[in-house]
Amino acid sequence: NAGVTQTPKFQVLKTGQSMTLQCAQDMNHEYMSWYRQDPGMGLRLIHYSVGAGITDQGEVPNGYNVSRSTTEDFPLRLLSAAPSQTSVYFCASRKGTGGDTEAFFGQGTRLTVV
Amino acid sequence: AQSVTQLGSHVSVSEGALVLLRCNYSSSVPPYLFWYVQYPNQGLQLLLKYTTGATLVKGINGFEAEFKKSETSFHLTKPSAHMSDAAEYFCAVRAGGTSYGKLTFGQGTILTVHP
Repeated sequence: NAGVTQTPKFQVLKTGQSMTLQCAQDMNHEYMSWYRQDPGMGLRLIHYSVGAGITDQGEVPNGYNVSRSTTEDFPLRLLSAAPSQTSVYFCASRKGTGGDTEAFFGQGTRLTVV
Repeated sequence: AQSVTQLGSHVSVSEGALVLLRCNYSSSVPPYLFWYVQYPNQGLQLLLKYTTGATLVKGINGFEAEFKKSETSFHLTKPSAHMSDAAEYFCAVRAGGTSYGKLTFGQGTILTVHP
């Protein structure tokens, strides 16, 4: 199993550009989430999905869009990149059978906005 | 609402010494509690979790944590540190009793192990 796969691993964007961070999982997990990691702030939830066609906002959703057309894929779109979006982004997935299930994380995408 | 506070953003120990990483949480309902480890340039990996039952939880790599409801704490310990334990550690809480509960992370603690 590949687990959770994120692409790209690194990206540099200019202010105002748009891009999509890809996330795919092959574990047939219902729940998927996007987090951003900033020094001293832990991980903060951007958006999440409890199944195909269902998404919701997390703690810091502004400037980001998501969609979930399949169980496997959960892309994160930056509409107009800003320097404040420089961060490391993690995608996670877990089974939806209970609140105690483990979240599996991808390797992360390191994004720099200049 | 739920929150997590990790006491100490950096902890430094000598190889062979006790590792103690502190975590306090707040939750309006009985929580699920997790410890994750992040090695440099990698994603997060689950060390251990508390759901219900035994309050002393054993995880991978010799780590364990004890859930203390009266102190709202879930501190992570390891009797003898190894160089390979150097990493960043995150405590996280999720509200119990719901199917989808948001996972809230602490700020992280960077563990340094000296020879």
